[in-house]
Formats: sequence, C-alpha cells, structure tokens
Amino acid sequence: EIALTQSPDTLSLSPGETATLSCRASQSVGARQLAWYQQKPGQTPRLLMYGASTRATGIPDRFSGSGSWTDFTLTIRRLEPEDFAVYYCQQYGTSPITFGQGTRLEIK
Amino acid sequence: QVQLVESGGGVVQPGRSLRLSCEASGFSFRNYAMHWVRQAPGRGLEWVAVIQYDESNEYYADAVKGRFTISRDNSKNTLFLQMNSLRVEDTAVYYCARDYGEGSTWLWFFEHWGQGALVTVSP
Repeated sequence: EIALTQSPDTLSLSPGETATLSCRASQSVGARQLAWYQQKPGQTPRLLMYGASTRATGIPDRFSGSGSWTDFTLTIRRLEPEDFAVYYCQQYGTSPITFGQGTRLEIK
Repeated sequence: QVQLVESGGGVVQPGRSLRLSCEASGFSFRNYAMHWVRQAPGRGLEWVAVIQYDESNEYYADAVKGRFTISRDNSKNTLFLQMNSLRVEDTAVYYCARDYGEGSTWLWFFEHWGQGALVTVSP
C-alpha cells in the first residue's frame, strides 16, 4: 500500500498570498496518477486536480499542480477567502488507492 | 445534473449489520464504476470498495475485506454496501462516489460524491 504524507499539517496564510501544499508518496505513483481534493466543513470533497496537473471542471487557474514519481505539489495563488479548507491528495496508480492525511489551510 | 443520495445509515452495535444504499440520477449509472469512501469523524478519507460498471469486478480495502460487500442494481440506478460484523472503528460517514472514467476505463478518482451517510457503531 502506498502511503501519502502531506505537509504541512496546517498552513496559516492571509488572503492574497500563495499556498504551497506538498504530498509525498512512499513509493512511485505511476504515470502521475495523483489527484487533489478540497473539503470544507460539512461538505463533500471537491475534485481539484487529477493527473497531477490537470484542473477539474470549473477549477480556477489560481490552482495548479505539479510533480511526479513520489513528490507532488498543489499551489494556490492569490488566496481567496473561499480557499481556506482542508486539502487531500490521493493516488490512484496502485491498488488500494490511498489518501493523504490532509493539510488544513487556515486564515492567518 | 449528477446526483448521488445515500441512505441507510444509523447507530448499530458492534457485530451487527447495516446496508447502505446510494441512488444515482442525472447520468447513465450502468456506464460507471462506483465506489464507497468513508471518513471517520474529524479524520481523513479512506477508500472502502469499488464495483465495476457491469459488476464484473469488485475490490475492497483490507480493513473491510470479508465483512463488507459492494453490489449494484443497474435497473434501479442503485449502489449498495452490505456491512456485516461491524466494529467501532467502522464508525464514519460513508460516501458513494462515481468513478471519473466511463465504461471499462475506470480511473479510481472521483468528481461526484454523495452527501454521505453516517454510520455509528457503538456498544
């Protein structure tokens, strides 16, 4: 089973700043098969990114993804108030699919 | 629009059973693999099980293998999760989620989720 470790656990930033979230895999995630989700309190997860860097439908270009093999990054530029949430990475290259533990992005 | 509506959650004692349902609408249910993903209170996401669009294959997380069974009724656009021998650690919100891929191209990530059904296993 591939373990995903996200860092930091909590990120405190102000609106307008840039957030950089990391997701590290315990072994290679084949063919950049990594997705990112956003979850706000009381809501279901929202797909942001798949294939490590492809934005899902309706996701603004302030969100970008990068990385390959074992190291992936989600970058959110010009933070908006609605961006403050918990973010999860998920690998789908190897069964069982696994999620990271989440990074909480909070308003500073 | 795509809608997934879970039902069947509740409070149950350890060792007992519960069956969740997920009614789908707004898309051709029979063309998509479907998953269950759970989230314990205040915790992260954990994949539980998947069933292929034509029921030809199903896979489970080790934590539930042998206790949970995923199934579907394509004539009724409904996904099921039969949960037996429940444990306290199965307490979670259970989401049904549609696979992003279609037909035989299942991709195992999710754009559409239900609102979730809370299952509480407590003595």
